[in-house]
Amino acid sequence: NAGVTQTPKFQVLKTGQSMTLQCAQDMNHNSMYWYRQDPGMGLRLIYYSASEGTTDKGEVPNGYNVSRLNKREFSLRLESAAPSQTSVYFCASSPLRSSGNTIYFGEGSWLTVV
Amino acid sequence: QKEVEQNSGPLSVPEGAIASLNCTYSDRGSQSFFWYRQYSGKSPELIMFIYSNGDKEDGRFTAQLNKASQYVSLLIRDSQPSDSATYLCAVIGLYNFNKFYFGSGTKLNVKP
Repeated sequence: NAGVTQTPKFQVLKTGQSMTLQCAQDMNHNSMYWYRQDPGMGLRLIYYSASEGTTDKGEVPNGYNVSRLNKREFSLRLESAAPSQTSVYFCASSPLRSSGNTIYFGEGSWLTVV
Repeated sequence: QKEVEQNSGPLSVPEGAIASLNCTYSDRGSQSFFWYRQYSGKSPELIMFIYSNGDKEDGRFTAQLNKASQYVSLLIRDSQPSDSATYLCAVIGLYNFNKFYFGSGTKLNVKP
């Protein structure tokens, strides 16, 4: 059982380049998320998707776009990377329930923008 | 004001002692509370969750919730060096149970 899988695990980009982080879950969860984690800042929500075809902004959406391709996949795109986007990115998923909701994380993607 | 606040630490305790980690939240209507453990270079993993006021025990871990004071804590009994990690508190918002708000985490060091 793979859970939440995200690729790539490591990436170095030059300022201005674009890239897409891929994420897939095999738990049949409705909700999917992208977080970034920076030292001292904790996990900050970039975008989330409550269901296929819907996406909503989180706390720090600027500079990112997302796409919920189907129930399994949720991608994060950096159109023009900036050094401020150097971070660890986590994809996550959860069943959409009014109670008992829990969030499960992928292994993370380490992105460096130079 | 951040939705979830935690002392960044580090909190150092000797092996075998009780480690006490605390978290406060700002949304009085929050319903669900979670503790995650994150080892360096790894992703967060769920330790336990709590919904109701009072204590919830799971092995060496006890979560305590006080909604009137808007804090949630995690006690780790008989702390082991393998418990050394960063502990993240998370809260689900009142109006959108799809949104998890995380604290910045408390780093715990358990010394042998």
